[in-house]
Amino acid sequence: SQTIHQWPATLVQPVGSPLSLECTVEGTSNPNLYWYRQAAGRGLQLLFYSVGIGQISSEVPQNLSASRPQDRQFILSSKKLLLSDSGFYLCAWSGGRWVETQYFGPGTRLLVL
Amino acid sequence: SQKIEQNSEALNIQEGKTATLTCNYTNYSPAYLQWYRQDPGRGPVFLLLIRENEKEKRKERLKVTFDTTLKQSLFHITASQPADSATYLCALDDSSYKLIFGSGTRLLVRP
Repeated sequence: SQTIHQWPATLVQPVGSPLSLECTVEGTSNPNLYWYRQAAGRGLQLLFYSVGIGQISSEVPQNLSASRPQDRQFILSSKKLLLSDSGFYLCAWSGGRWVETQYFGPGTRLLVL
Repeated sequence: SQKIEQNSEALNIQEGKTATLTCNYTNYSPAYLQWYRQDPGRGPVFLLLIRENEKEKRKERLKVTFDTTLKQSLFHITASQPADSATYLCALDDSSYKLIFGSGTRLLVRP
């Protein structure tokens, strides 16, 4: 069966520090991968998605970047965090060209102080 | 662009009653619509998918309807239980690779 992992679960970082969040998927090949951010009490904002290694589509211009160095690994990064980067970051995967169901990881709660 | 509207006010009901949540969309009719459940501090979990040519879909105590004329989906939980308390999100296909999610409706089931 497929499993999706995210780490760390919680992160507290000072403003201006770098960020690296990692997501890995097991049990499937060539998944579509997604990074979302969810502000408290709000909906899911799609940040990036990837349909293959090295292929990244950015949905919202911002202080973040994403990379997909391996088929089942998706990384969210920032060189300098802003206060507004605080939130709940979720990684998800889906199979095939037509999205249908997305499967989410446990999330990373990021607090920038 | 497509917009999804879900009631931002929490739905508070008595255990055993039927909960009905609404999802409205504003633009083109999607090929399918999905419902997810999200517990506090957790990622959303897929519940049901209904396609544009389907009127109704059921899974155990869950029922989803899809009315492309009204641009609306209704999500029903029958014989609700306190364990059903969570936020429920609806999602539509935005392109061949993406979904748009609503902001969700919080359901509270009182014992």
